[in-house]
Amino acid sequence: NAGVTQTPKFQVLKTGQSMTLQCAQDMNHNSMYWYRQDPGMGLRLIYYSASEGTTDKGEVPNGYNVSRLNKREFSLRLESAAPSQTSVYFCASSRQGSGNQPQHFGDGTRLSIL
Amino acid sequence: AQKITQTQPGMFVQEKEAVTLDCTYDTSDQSYGLFWYKQPSSGEMIFLIYQGSYDEQNATEGRYSLNFQKARKSANLVISASQLGDSAMYFCATSRMNTGFQKLVFGTGTRLLVSP
Repeated sequence: NAGVTQTPKFQVLKTGQSMTLQCAQDMNHNSMYWYRQDPGMGLRLIYYSASEGTTDKGEVPNGYNVSRLNKREFSLRLESAAPSQTSVYFCASSRQGSGNQPQHFGDGTRLSIL
Repeated sequence: AQKITQTQPGMFVQEKEAVTLDCTYDTSDQSYGLFWYKQPSSGEMIFLIYQGSYDEQNATEGRYSLNFQKARKSANLVISASQLGDSAMYFCATSRMNTGFQKLVFGTGTRLLVSP
């Protein structure tokens, strides 16, 4: 019962380096999401993919790009990492429906940028 | 735009007692959903309960219930018979409905500590 799998779990980058966070789900969900969680704050939506082949910006998309590789996989890329992107990143997925389907989250990736 | 406000940064409760975690929301949408998630110290996000804006009955899931007061725009989580394992961060979130997917907007969370 893997659910949503994120890799890596931890990463340290230097300012200016690039990195791709991977996410895969095995629940046959249509929609996938990337969030970031900063201390003292709730999760904020970075990008989402309502269905395979589509992606859209969320609340805080600047500095990120995404790829919905197929129905299972949704990756998040930092092209030139900045210290302000130090955060915990969560991937989530949900079944397509009327919007009442709960999102299932991965365990998160702790990313530090020096 | 949607907004969630959780005014209680931290709450303490004794084991076996009930506790209410507050959540108020602001939305211009007619159709919306309200969600509660639990985040233990291990970091994962666990879905607890959902309430739709048109649901007439308050949602219940085991020891969790959602006290939905639409006129007051509140969606408080009630945990009955608290257990030590309930110690965690709790997040309230909202999303527009009828779009086939969700763009969740989260509050800042409430840290619950259950003592023996």
